[in-house]
Amino acid sequence: AQSVTQPDIHITVSEGASLELRCNYSYGATPYLFWYVQSPGQGLQLLLKYFSGDTLVQGIKGFEAEFKRSQSSFNLRKPSVHWSDAAEYFCALKRGNNRKLIWGLGTSLAVNP
Amino acid sequence: DVKVTQSSRYLVKRTGEKVFLECVQDMDHENMFWYRQDPGLGLRLIYFSYDVKMKEKGDIPEGYSVSREKKERFSLILESASTNQTSMYLCASSFSSGRAHEQYFGPGTRLTVT
Repeated sequence: AQSVTQPDIHITVSEGASLELRCNYSYGATPYLFWYVQSPGQGLQLLLKYFSGDTLVQGIKGFEAEFKRSQSSFNLRKPSVHWSDAAEYFCALKRGNNRKLIWGLGTSLAVNP
Repeated sequence: DVKVTQSSRYLVKRTGEKVFLECVQDMDHENMFWYRQDPGLGLRLIYFSYDVKMKEKGDIPEGYSVSREKKERFSLILESASTNQTSMYLCASSFSSGRAHEQYFGPGTRLTVT
């Protein structure tokens, strides 16, 4: 069955440090992959998406993600974290023509000053 | 910019009441979705709609129904609210399948059933 796993439930980093949030997926073909961010009490905002081509994808707010087919991963990175990046991050997978997304359970990011 | 709006940010209802949550999108999206979000459980799909008057059950449809009479509006109905339906409800919309069309989300409605 298709699935998305975010192995880290909660991560704490210091402001200015680099960040990597992990996302692993299970799917037999090439998926469409998304990263969303949710600030406290808010809806979800798309950070970036992968659907074909270059495996390194640039997004908003200085985030990037790399699609690695051999590792079934789509990890999110940021070189220097800001306090405003504290939020919940969700990875999601879309299978071809299917309308629905398969969601990971999310990673909660805390940023220490 | 795509805008998805939800009728209320916060709602408090009593057990047994009928509850309507409204969602409106302004981008002519074919697909609309209702999720609930609970701590540790992520986003769970309740229902979605791919056209006017068309709907499909998601992963947790029990206790809920939906209505889509106009393309831009998608309503979630709790026929008889129960305390276990206390949750954050998120509406989303997207263009039709076939491409990597992302879902756009509203701000959410935090529903408390007492």
